[in-house]
Amino acid sequence: EIVLTQSPDFQSVTPKEKVTITCRASQSIDSSLHWYQQKPDQPPKILITLASQSFSGVPSRFSGSGSGTEFTLTINGLEAEDAATYYCHQSRSLPQTFGQGTKLEIK
Amino acid sequence: QVQLQESGPGLVKPSQTLSLTCTVSGGSISSNDYYWSWIRQQPGKGLEWIGYISFRGSTYYNPSLKSRVSMSLDTSKVHFSLRLNSVTAADTAVYYCAGYKTGAFDSWGQGALVTVTS
Repeated sequence: EIVLTQSPDFQSVTPKEKVTITCRASQSIDSSLHWYQQKPDQPPKILITLASQSFSGVPSRFSGSGSGTEFTLTINGLEAEDAATYYCHQSRSLPQTFGQGTKLEIK
Repeated sequence: QVQLQESGPGLVKPSQTLSLTCTVSGGSISSNDYYWSWIRQQPGKGLEWIGYISFRGSTYYNPSLKSRVSMSLDTSKVHFSLRLNSVTAADTAVYYCAGYKTGAFDSWGQGALVTVTS
């Protein structure tokens, strides 16, 4: 099973700040890495597919990069509505797995 | 994207079977673009992939649950289903159905909280 480890687990940030969340895979997953945003009492929402492709309708301040074992989600110009928990997910091999999540708090 | 909605009992007794259904709208459940998926989230925890089923009925389950899980799909009723046998308190979670396409879960239901309690 491929283990995904996100860092940090928690981050408190101010609006307009640039945020970077990292996801490391226990073995290479090529570009089969996706990012989701989950707000309290809501289902996750897809942000980025295949490491760097923005999903339709996602604000342009969200971007993704990386391949192999190291990936990043970047939020440029954080907004208050971005307070949420962010998860990475790999679809390279079964069982599909998720990172443990990174909770973003807006100061 | 399709719209998904989970339904089923919110309470299940220990050792019994959890059964949930997901109704698909806004798209064809028979689409070969999608794998119909179940994912769960225990209270305050992260996401766990349970498995998925293709429109042809091929299934793939998480090995951690494989001995207790089964999924089925009813194209005429535009829904797919999850059964989890021999439940314990550890199976208490919000269960999401989701559509899996080109590698990612791009459509999600709102989630159904299932509590295992006597």
